[in-house]
Amino acid sequence: EIVLTQSPGTLSLSPGERATLSCRASQSVDSYLAWYQQKPGQAPRLLISGASSRATGIPDRFSGSGSGTDFTLTISGLEPEDFALYYCQQYGGSSWTFGQGTKVEIK
Amino acid sequence: QVQLVQSGAEVKKPGASVKISCKASGYPFNSYYMHWVRQAPGQGLEWMGVFNPGPSRTTFAQNFQGRVTLTWDTSTSTAYMELSSLRSEDTAVYYCARSPSAGNDYWGQGTLVTVSS
Repeated sequence: EIVLTQSPGTLSLSPGERATLSCRASQSVDSYLAWYQQKPGQAPRLLISGASSRATGIPDRFSGSGSGTDFTLTISGLEPEDFALYYCQQYGGSSWTFGQGTKVEIK
Repeated sequence: QVQLVQSGAEVKKPGASVKISCKASGYPFNSYYMHWVRQAPGQGLEWMGVFNPGPSRTTFAQNFQGRVTLTWDTSTSTAYMELSSLRSEDTAVYYCARSPSAGNDYWGQGTLVTVSS
């Protein structure tokens, strides 16, 4: 099973600041990586797939990069609605897995 | 529009089974995989398994091998997930989520399953 490790666990930032979230895979997943946003009481929302392709309706302040084992989600200029939990997910193997999540909180 | 509507909350005793439904609408049901993901209270997302309607094939996470059954009713566009031998650690919100092969683009609203004696 491919293990995804996200860092940091919590990111404390102010609105307008840039957020950089990391996801590292225990083995290569090529570009088969997605990012999700989850708010309390809601289902996750797909932000990025294929490591860097924004899903439909996702603002362009969200961007993804990386391949192989190291990936980054960048939010350039945090809006109030962006403070939430973020998960990475790999779908490179027959079994998919999620990272443990990064919480982006208001400083 | 695409919608996945799940069945309501369940309370079960340890050792029992639970079966959750996920009714799809707004897209060709047999053209997309259906995944199941759970989230224990205050915890992260855990991928459970996937049903591939093409060859009617299922794949499960190692943790759920032998305890999860995924089925599919094309006539009603409904997917089902049954989890057996329930224990307290299975208390969680269970989600169905569609996949066009690259991530999960639509999710159900979630079904809370509480396992308690």
